[in-house]
Amino acid sequence: DAKTTQPTSMDCAEGRAANLPCNHSTISGNEYVYWYRQIHSQGPQYIIHGLKNNETNEMASLIITEDRKSSTLILPHATLRDTAVYYCIVRVADTGGFKTIFGAGTRLFVKA
Amino acid sequence: NAGVTQTPKFQVLKTGQSMTLQCAQDMNHEYMSWYRQDPGMGLRLIHYSVGAGITDQGEVPNGYNVSRSTTEDFPLRLLSAAPSQTSVYFCASSQGRGVGGYTFGSGTRLTVV
Repeated sequence: DAKTTQPTSMDCAEGRAANLPCNHSTISGNEYVYWYRQIHSQGPQYIIHGLKNNETNEMASLIITEDRKSSTLILPHATLRDTAVYYCIVRVADTGGFKTIFGAGTRLFVKA
Repeated sequence: NAGVTQTPKFQVLKTGQSMTLQCAQDMNHEYMSWYRQDPGMGLRLIHYSVGAGITDQGEVPNGYNVSRSTTEDFPLRLLSAAPSQTSVYFCASSQGRGVGGYTFGSGTRLTVV
């Protein structure tokens, strides 16, 4: 699976959009981009995933560049409860050797 | 629908003791994995399984065994506990083939003294 690079930490004001970047310049054509978050010592929570097109669900939006070498997770109206570590992961969705490797992630601080 | 259930939530072991961390899921997921997370660190993959009867090693498998006799259960065995195995352990499952994300359990906090 391709390696991802994320900033170590970011700040965001409550009520504003939080834009979390992820670089995955070695991504292959059959690899998906996944985002998870982990709120203080809880189990990680799946947020969203995408292949080529931009995706949106009730939690967030995922913007993938046309060359697929980077992506951005957008939390449209960040709240204090969105303070967490956000993990960007790239993996092949359909493989017999399936496994997911988590990196260090981005620690997002939402401030009042 | 309980999702992924891990037991126990907390455990203290003495060095050299053995124990089994339990993980069960009721979503009929094919894929299951075990991760450990040390303080201030990301998750590291210990072992994973792509279906009943099939397991494989992750990044940090030494000192741990797994088995997958049923689709629902994926226990993690510590053979001879060491202080370096003090960590939070997370079990996760996924629908597998296809694009589903992982569902994680709430974790087992293990301290080895």
